[in-house]
Amino acid sequence: NAGVTQTPKFRVLKTGQSMTLLCAQDMNHEYMYWYRQDPGMGLRLIHYSVGEGTTAKGEVPDGYNVSRLKKQNFLLGLESAAPSQTSVYFCASSSPDRGVGELFFGEGSRLTVL
Amino acid sequence: QQQVKQSPQSLIVQKGGISIINCAYENTAFDYFPWYQQFPGKGPALLIAIRPDVSEKKEGRFTISFNKSAKQFSLHIMDSQPGDSATYFCAASMYFPGTYKYIFGTGTRLKVLA
Repeated sequence: NAGVTQTPKFRVLKTGQSMTLLCAQDMNHEYMYWYRQDPGMGLRLIHYSVGEGTTAKGEVPDGYNVSRLKKQNFLLGLESAAPSQTSVYFCASSSPDRGVGELFFGEGSRLTVL
Repeated sequence: QQQVKQSPQSLIVQKGGISIINCAYENTAFDYFPWYQQFPGKGPALLIAIRPDVSEKKEGRFTISFNKSAKQFSLHIMDSQPGDSATYFCAASMYFPGTYKYIFGTGTRLKVLA
């Protein structure tokens, strides 16, 4: 029972490099989210998806792209990394079956951009 | 109007004491108020949640007090233990077209001294 799995857990990039973070959930949840966590700023929503093939912008989407080709996977891409994107990234999923649902988070991916 | 203000930023409590964390919101459309607990190196996990139709919810040593008229809610941890040392996030949620939107507070780092 893995829940929400994020890969990689750690990554160091140079400014301008690209990378993709992978989120996989095995709970058959419809909704998936990408958040970033910065000291003193809590969790801020980057992008979210309400189902396979759909994505939408959150609070801080600039510099990121996402894709949800399969229900269980939600990918977060950085096309040209900037130092301001140094952060801890969390993926979460939830189910709408019982109205507003509990968010299930992965363990995070720590990204450093030099 | 979308913010959730959380205080204090950090809190040190003696073992056996009461920990109190406060949150305030402005948007009356919020209808679900969860608290998440996060240990170092882990993702946030749901601790306890409340809806605005009740003024208090208790689960073991954890209690949410909710004041709808003041648009405030708080987490009380009774008989605080060293194992409770973690970062706590309050959140407010409301239905947003197609999904539920969560706004998180900035977090409170709790340390319980043995």
